[in-house]
Amino acid sequence: TQLLEQSPQFLSIQEGENLTVYCNSSSVFSSLQWYRQEPGEGPVLLVTVVTGGEVKKLKRLTFQFGDARKDSSLHITAAQPGDTGLYLCAGAKGTDKLIFGTGTRLQVFP
Amino acid sequence: ETGVTQTPRHLVMGMTNKKSLKCEQHLGHNAMYWYKQSAKKPLELMFVYNFKEQTENNSVPSRFSPECPNSSHLFLHLHTLQPEDSALYLCASSQYLRLADNTGELFFGEGSRLTVL
Repeated sequence: TQLLEQSPQFLSIQEGENLTVYCNSSSVFSSLQWYRQEPGEGPVLLVTVVTGGEVKKLKRLTFQFGDARKDSSLHITAAQPGDTGLYLCAGAKGTDKLIFGTGTRLQVFP
Repeated sequence: ETGVTQTPRHLVMGMTNKKSLKCEQHLGHNAMYWYKQSAKKPLELMFVYNFKEQTENNSVPSRFSPECPNSSHLFLHLHTLQPEDSALYLCASSQYLRLADNTGELFFGEGSRLTVL
């Protein structure tokens, strides 16, 4: 089974704090995507990382793809209540198959 | 309407009922997907259609029957479901099947919350 384990499973923090979410696997992926799903909505793509070691920044969010393309991390600086949601990583196997991670549920309190 | 639209948003059905979930995408995409999202499991791919032809059935029980009449519409017909089938069913679309590169992206609908009594 190609499992993508995310940690932590739940995270509850105050506005202004920093946090990191991890996405780990024993499998190698062609690329890795991060999605955010807000309550009552479907997941929305945040970023795709393709190259091992790649780092992408999206405002206060920093995404990194591991050198061996087996893991990824998402770092949020100065979290805001609007960052609340379920964060999902998804690894691509081959060209068209996405394996979704177990999810990290983030709650940011004002 | 824009994006991916799913109806109904909520559905409660008995184990002997027959119902259908509908998905429509207004993005001009060629591929459409059904995913199941349960509380304690990762998002599970159920079916994939590309240019209205089924390309993947991820060992889904026959009580779930998909239908894709054209590239813009996708249905999931439900019959004799079990309580463990209660979940959020998400429809998604993508421009092409290729999801591994920088242009690959799934666009999800808001989901249909199904409760089987």
